[in-house]
Amino acid sequence: GNSVTQMEGPVTLSEEAFLTINCTYTATGYPSLFWYVQYPGEGLQLLLKATKADDKGSNKGFEATYRKETTSFHLEKGSVQVSDSAVYFCALSSYSGGYQKVTFGIGTKLQVIP
Amino acid sequence: DTEVTQTPKHLVMGMTNKKSLKCEQHMGHRAMYWYKQKAKKPPELMFVYSYEKLSINESVPSRFSPECPNSSLLNLHLHALQPEDSALYLCASSQVGGQGGGYTFGSGTRLTVV
Repeated sequence: GNSVTQMEGPVTLSEEAFLTINCTYTATGYPSLFWYVQYPGEGLQLLLKATKADDKGSNKGFEATYRKETTSFHLEKGSVQVSDSAVYFCALSSYSGGYQKVTFGIGTKLQVIP
Repeated sequence: DTEVTQTPKHLVMGMTNKKSLKCEQHMGHRAMYWYKQKAKKPPELMFVYSYEKLSINESVPSRFSPECPNSSLLNLHLHALQPEDSALYLCASSQVGGQGGGYTFGSGTRLTVV
């Protein structure tokens, strides 16, 4: 079956540091890949997505590239802010006959300190 | 309208109470989902509706009863819950096809069973 592996946190960075959160996946076929972000006390928000190999998703300074050869979708940001503190979930989706089946990673908590 | 709206945001209920959670979307999505999320864990799938019909029940106890009265609404009826059912309950919606658009989540209902 499908699975997503992401680094366990927490990840603690100083403001303006470079961020990388690793994510690898196992899937049959051609899944779409996502990063979701969850701020404290809130639901999940779609941060970025990529639907095919070599696609780069980007949003709010975050980027991730769909690498089929390494089955990876690492999240990066060049300069983090305190407001980026949240939990980040890597996920993949595959079509399953009338709905999208989404598999989530365990989530990585990011804490950015001033 | 690109939102999924969940009500109430917070709910405290006794073990003998009956309550309902409500989810509404107007994005034209025909797949809707209920997820349960415990602290520091990824969301766990409970139910999937596709074209207003129940497609997936992930072996959820019968004290949780979903209902999809129309293509915009999804309810979760709660009865005789246990304290371990306390969690964040998330609703999501998506397209039904293989477009890979991912989910749109609501902000969730924080449920406490006392």
